[in-house]
Amino acid sequence: EPEVTQTPSHQVTQMGQEVILRCVPISNHLYFYWYRQILGQKVEFLVSFYNNEISEKSEIFDDQFSVERPDGSNFTLKIRSTKLEDSAMYFCASREGQQNTEAFFGQGTRLTVV
Amino acid sequence: EDQVTQSPEALRLQEGESSSLNCSYTVSGLRGLFWYRQDPGKGPEFLFTLYSAGEEKEKERLKATLTKKESFLHITAPKPEDSATYLCAVQAVNDYKLSFGAGTTVTVRA
Repeated sequence: EPEVTQTPSHQVTQMGQEVILRCVPISNHLYFYWYRQILGQKVEFLVSFYNNEISEKSEIFDDQFSVERPDGSNFTLKIRSTKLEDSAMYFCASREGQQNTEAFFGQGTRLTVV
Repeated sequence: EDQVTQSPEALRLQEGESSSLNCSYTVSGLRGLFWYRQDPGKGPEFLFTLYSAGEEKEKERLKATLTKKESFLHITAPKPEDSATYLCAVQAVNDYKLSFGAGTTVTVRA
């Protein structure tokens, strides 16, 4: 069964360092997303990406964050200068279409900023 | 702003004891309401999508229903393997994102 794959599963980084979280969405999907979940809190939307551009972003997704689809299969989230409060589970999701389709999530990357 | 409120926060059930989870929502035009299951340290696993009031979907011991203001997830004769956090999310029309509730953590004791 097709699935969304995320790497690494766990990343520890020093405050101020840059990190790149990687995702391989399901192959025939066209819409890609990043969400995050701080421990004990709800899943929060960060950004959606379609047709090689950001289609929507939340207030959380400031200049510190960027997304890229560098080739036909990968979708990345870059955090430029990490802060302690960026520690969270980051989930990638993909959908076949914007409507009447479900979003499938990866298993997440646990980011710990120390 | 879309709002999703789930209740109760936690639910402890005996194996076989049926119950319901509630998801109340406020959205400017509902495109879809989604139920996911999340195990500790894992990503949300898709269960159901509901699009219009009166719609119902079933999968094994789970049944989801939808009204204009809320959705219910009914768990019939639960087993310990149904223990998880159940998340509700909504998508508004002309919107790309899902807005999630805080979830209901269900624990089923044998």
